[in-house]
Amino acid sequence: QQQVRQSSQSLTVWEGETAILNCSYENSAFDYFPWYQQFPGEGPALLIAIRSVSDKKEDGRFTIFFNKREKNLSLHIKDSQPGDSATYFCAASESNNRIFFGDGTQLVVKP
Amino acid sequence: GALVYQYPRRTICKSGTSMRMECQAVGFQATSVAWYRQSPQKTFELIALSTVNSAIKYEQNFTQEKFPISHPNLSFSSMTVLNAYLEDRGLYLCGARGGSSYEQYFGPGTRLTVL
Repeated sequence: QQQVRQSSQSLTVWEGETAILNCSYENSAFDYFPWYQQFPGEGPALLIAIRSVSDKKEDGRFTIFFNKREKNLSLHIKDSQPGDSATYFCAASESNNRIFFGDGTQLVVKP
Repeated sequence: GALVYQYPRRTICKSGTSMRMECQAVGFQATSVAWYRQSPQKTFELIALSTVNSAIKYEQNFTQEKFPISHPNLSFSSMTVLNAYLEDRGLYLCGARGGSSYEQYFGPGTRLTVL
C-alpha cells in the first residue's frame, strides 16, 4: 500500500496564478512532511517542510496547508513563475525515520 | 549550509560489470544516509538506510550482495552496483541527515547507464 499519494501526475497553470498541489498519506504516526522540488537532471531539493503540530507553514511564495484529521496536505505556490516548472514530491516520515515519497506532480507554468 | 555531493554524475558500464558511486556531505554530519534509485517515471525506490554505528538496513528486493554500502564516517558513503544489468539503470540518489534532524538533503545523483 502506497504510504504517500499525490493526486495529480501533472498540473498546468498560467504565470501569476496560484498552483495547488495535493497530497494524502496513510500512516497517522507520520509527523514530518517535506516537499521536494526537482528539476530535470538534478537531485530533489528540499523546498519547505511542516511538522504535524502545525497546520500551516509559509516561506515566501510557498505555503503548506496541513490537515491532520483528514490526513492530507497541500502545497500552494503563489504568483507562479515559469521557473517554478519542475516536479514536486510530497513526502512523509515518522520522527526521523525513513522518508516515504509520493510519485510526484509535474508542474508546468505557462508564460 | 548543508550540501551533498555525488560522483560521478553519470556513468556507463557494460552489462555484468560493476561500478561504485560516492556521496559526500558538507556542512553537517551525515549520521544517516539513504540510498535511492529513481526510475525514469520519477518514482523513488529506497535501496538501503545506513546509520552510523548501526547495521545497514536493506529494503525488500535489494541486497547487500548486489548493492554493498560503506558508511565509514560522518561525511562519506559509497555504494557499489555489482554485476549491473539493464534493470539497474536509473538515477541513484543519496539522501543524508544529520543527528536528530528531520531534514534530509539530497545530492544531484549518479545516472547509471548499462549497455
